[in-house]
Amino acid sequence: GAVVSQHPSWVICKSGTSVKIECRSLDFQATTMFWYRQFPKQSLMLMATSNEGSKATYEQGVEKDKFLINHASLTLSTLTVTSAHPEDSSFYICSARPRAGANVLTFGAGSRLTVL
Amino acid sequence: AQKITQTQPGMFVQEKEAVTLDCTYDTSDPSYGLFWYKQPSSGEMIFLIYQGSYDQQNATEGRYSLNFQKARKSANLVISASQLGDSAMYFCAMREGAGSSNTGKLIFGQGTTLQVKP
Repeated sequence: GAVVSQHPSWVICKSGTSVKIECRSLDFQATTMFWYRQFPKQSLMLMATSNEGSKATYEQGVEKDKFLINHASLTLSTLTVTSAHPEDSSFYICSARPRAGANVLTFGAGSRLTVL
Repeated sequence: AQKITQTQPGMFVQEKEAVTLDCTYDTSDPSYGLFWYKQPSSGEMIFLIYQGSYDQQNATEGRYSLNFQKARKSANLVISASQLGDSAMYFCAMREGAGSSNTGKLIFGQGTTLQVKP
């Protein structure tokens, strides 16, 4: 149980285009999801907390207009990288709490974005 | 503000031997949770072990154990009987708060790359 599916697993796009990454909880409802970004050989940096039915909470230094997060249902959160540039190339990972108060988060398999 | 520090960028261990990966943390919240995750080259995050700040005993999960020293604010991961499949990046993480103040947010350390030699 507690599976999080992330799609696409990898994507290549041209500079200036927008890319949408989906994070779905398959067998549970997730009122809260988290989006992380990871550069090669580096740590996971929390970008934002996605809350179902309300605006996402962004971490300091993360551009909310650049990284649009939508959590329209209890099983789906999306991250849209708008007007992507090569410096946005990274590994994006989402995670969710399988139930309220759960200690351990479930992570998606990640999405590798390459912007040409 | 909470902080997690892993000072070993890379570690080597011989197959079948034990290895300790270091992790120190800093927080002013008396209630917190400490986690270790494994990230193989595929990128997925695999949960290994969890230790709550009020847990009296060190957590253990199979070959993994967490050496929790609260006064020293350290939460080292011990892997016993290393296997070739243990080669991966390992992250220590912390979550502040409990109950209603537990947002679920995790902050990660810099990671340690472990290589197991045959």
